[in-house]
Amino acid sequence: DAMVIQNPRYQVTQFGKPVTLSCSQTLNHNVMYWYQQKSSQAPKLLFHYYDKDFNNEADTPDNFQSRRPNTSFCFLDIRSPGLGDAAMYLCATSRLNRDRGNEQFFGPGTRLTVL
Amino acid sequence: AQTVTQSQPEMSVQEAETVTLSCTYDTSESNYYLFWYKQPPSRQMILVIRQEAYKQQNATENRFSVNFQKAAKSFSLKISDSQLGDTAMYFCAARNAGGTSYGKLTFGQGTILTVHP
Repeated sequence: DAMVIQNPRYQVTQFGKPVTLSCSQTLNHNVMYWYQQKSSQAPKLLFHYYDKDFNNEADTPDNFQSRRPNTSFCFLDIRSPGLGDAAMYLCATSRLNRDRGNEQFFGPGTRLTVL
Repeated sequence: AQTVTQSQPEMSVQEAETVTLSCTYDTSESNYYLFWYKQPPSRQMILVIRQEAYKQQNATENRFSVNFQKAAKSFSLKISDSQLGDTAMYFCAARNAGGTSYGKLTFGQGTILTVHP
């Protein structure tokens, strides 16, 4: 089945130790998104890629970076995680198609713990 | 800019009964899409139902239906014959139809729905 895959599902890192979260998709969607979701809150968009065009949200901290080496993969790099970065990180994809209302397909998320 | 507001942090319903989750939004766009997403505990977010603003007919998907009131900017979700598996956080979301938003969603704060046996 076509899907959005996130690895790992659970990640533990130490304060200040760089960490990378990965997302892959078999949907061949041209847009990929990274969200941060804290407990019982709405997902907060960090950035998104339209093909290789990177779009950063204005309030995304510089500590967060992203890479999209090809259509299928997208990475979230946290350069120096702080305790406040502990959260669920969601990857989503969509096909830029106005007729379909750009439904976003979400991965299962990676829960990041910072010790 | 869009805003989406869900005024009910938590709701509960008995199995087999009907429940309605509220959502209001604000946008300056003439064409846009509205969505309800469901996020079960420890599981991934999935789309429940989609409404296109230029369509007057309310969307329905099996037990799920919406009451879309464009003038009032209201978009409520009705769940009929509630099932235990409907227990989840529900997010209302909006997206502009055009421009360079690349499908960016604006989410509401979410409503935690608990279905009791």
